Amino acid sequence: QVQLVQSGAEVKKPGASVKVSCKASGYTFTGYYMHWVRQAPGQGLEWMGWINPNSGGTNYAQKFQGRVTMTRDTSISTAYMELSRLRSDDTAVYYCASSLDIAVAGLDYWGQGTLVTVSS
Amino acid sequence: QTVVTQEPSLTVSPGGTVTLTCASSTGAVTSGYYPNWFQQKPGQAPRALIYSTSNKHSWTPARFSGSLLGGKAALTLSGVQPEDEAEYYCLLYYGGTWVFGGGTKLTVL
Repeated sequence: QVQLVQSGAEVKKPGASVKVSCKASGYTFTGYYMHWVRQAPGQGLEWMGWINPNSGGTNYAQKFQGRVTMTRDTSISTAYMELSRLRSDDTAVYYCASSLDIAVAGLDYWGQGTLVTVSS
Repeated sequence: QTVVTQEPSLTVSPGGTVTLTCASSTGAVTSGYYPNWFQQKPGQAPRALIYSTSNKHSWTPARFSGSLLGGKAALTLSGVQPEDEAEYYCLLYYGGTWVFGGGTKLTVL
């Protein structure tokens, strides 16, 4: 069965960077896009961007351009999302979610989420 | 900046029918926005329900259906169950990027 397992909770200071991982199993990792979505406490979902694990190509939401980097390691079926220059309002649960293609198939499977807390 | 708008909250009686909508600040929502719908319960990750306007995932209960209605994407729940009480989010595609709606809190009462 398809599973996306994310890394554990992180606590970071303002100005630092955080790198969250998402390990995929149960399907061909390079055959699906991986999206990253975040949710601040008590708030809604916010789409951050996607990576094509096959080509390494990425597309980021304008809000995060310059601060976010999405990468992958196909040898271990793992996608990564690194967010730099952290601020307190980056405190959120970060999710990875897969999609078969860039648009039509939608986001289907989701990771369990990783809580990132930014605090001095 | 593109804004996707949903009803903040709705209330429905058990066994009833309710329709949630999703509007785009850019104009009418069409099939080319590939609307997705997700359900999220407290403390859980979102669960995908609908993709490309009206297509269900293999795990989506039959009582959930998606459509386009009056220039918006719509999610209809027929024969609502108590376990359907949750937050519902739509997601629209804008030529390479995606934008979530603010969510609708559905209360079953």
